[in-house]
Amino acid sequence: QSALTQPASVSGSPGQSITISCTGTSSDVGGYDYVSWYQQHPGKAPKLMIYDVSNRPSGVSNRFSGSKSANTASLTISGLQAEDEADYYCSSYTGSSTLPDVFGTGTKVTVL
Amino acid sequence: QITLKESGPTLVKPTQTLTLTCTFSGFSLTTSGVGVAWIRQPPGKALEWLALIYWDDDKRYRPSLRSRLTITKDTSKNQVVLTMTNMDPVDTATYYCVHRLGGGRVGFWGQGTLVTVSS
Repeated sequence: QSALTQPASVSGSPGQSITISCTGTSSDVGGYDYVSWYQQHPGKAPKLMIYDVSNRPSGVSNRFSGSKSANTASLTISGLQAEDEADYYCSSYTGSSTLPDVFGTGTKVTVL
Repeated sequence: QITLKESGPTLVKPTQTLTLTCTFSGFSLTTSGVGVAWIRQPPGKALEWLALIYWDDDKRYRPSLRSRLTITKDTSKNQVVLTMTNMDPVDTATYYCVHRLGGGRVGFWGQGTLVTVSS
């Protein structure tokens, strides 16, 4: 059960859009529509931003959107704001009989 | 309102056993589809799923740590307990207790507890 692959860092200027990729296999990302995205500010617990590939929990800004194509899921942040600077992690259901979920390697988003 | 809170030692010695307790409120661990999981994060590193217990007492573990982990629940106390044996300095991490729904969605997290393994 290997971690999903994310870019180590992504950056953008305020107002721009950025996209973070999350690459897995047909056994995880590609096999189920169960990808979640989490935002984590330093010293804080992660916060759910997207679930089931593209659904936003109540209270999460519509500047955050999720999608998936084959074995790669993506999180797009539009209208980038200073408060979006944080670490982002994807997670996918795997259906494994051991532990059913796997996290990504994490991406540091920097607002220039 | 769902809340979870981790409790346990902040410092353990190498080879000792770590016992962490998650006390939760706002949901029942007897409700179909609900699970409580433990996730850890070493300093400066990524999140890792460790163990999961479902409403029906089905238990799942990270394969690489399976021999060292035990997860149990006490529904009368609204608690989930994780034990990890033979602690090593590489196990130094913040340990989170979380509310997990179907598909792996984690909508609620505990505040986390930093456990340091050092002699």
